[in-house]
Amino acid sequence: DAKTTQPPSMDCAEGRAANLPCNHSTISGNEYVYWYRQIHSQGPQYIIHGLKNNETNEMASLIITEDRKSSTLILPHATLRDTAVYYCIVRAPGAGGTSYGKLTFGQGTILTVHP
Amino acid sequence: DARVTQTPRHKVTEMGQEVTMRCQPILGHNTVFWYRQTMMQGLELLAYFRNRAPLDDSGMPKDRFSAEMPDATLATLKIQPSEPRDSAVYFCASGPLIGNTIYFGEGSWLTVV
Repeated sequence: DAKTTQPPSMDCAEGRAANLPCNHSTISGNEYVYWYRQIHSQGPQYIIHGLKNNETNEMASLIITEDRKSSTLILPHATLRDTAVYYCIVRAPGAGGTSYGKLTFGQGTILTVHP
Repeated sequence: DARVTQTPRHKVTEMGQEVTMRCQPILGHNTVFWYRQTMMQGLELLAYFRNRAPLDDSGMPKDRFSAEMPDATLATLKIQPSEPRDSAVYFCASGPLIGNTIYFGEGSWLTVV
């Protein structure tokens, strides 16, 4: 799986948009970009994923550059409860392959939302 | 609300004792993962199963760790004998055969003294 690079920490004011960047310059054509987050003392939580189109769900938006070498997770209106470690992960698909589900976590970005 | 259930949530044990952690995957999910998290190493994949068969356990210390799925509703991770360096949070996760998302449990917090 391709390696990702994220800033170690970021701050955001409550109510403002949080934009978390991720570099994945060695991503392959069939690899997806996933975002998970881990709130203190809890298990990692799925946020969103995408291949090449921008994606949006009730939690966040994912913007993937045209060359797919980087992406940005956007939390449109951050709240104090969004304080967590955010992981950007690149993974090949394939329900039938042995790589399925092998999410390899890096160090992530510690996002602190302050009042 | 379907969720992955892990027991025990917290365990303190003495070095040399056997520890067994249990996981109930989400009903219908046929892929199960065991991860370990420490401050130094972060989240590491120990092993994972598909349809109860082990697919990859290369991340697991073979001499003391073992992982099994006795049936589709139960996965176990056993450490025998336990050592202080095994102190960590152990997460179980499950996912469907078709689909891209895996779901994590709340973890089993293990302390070996």
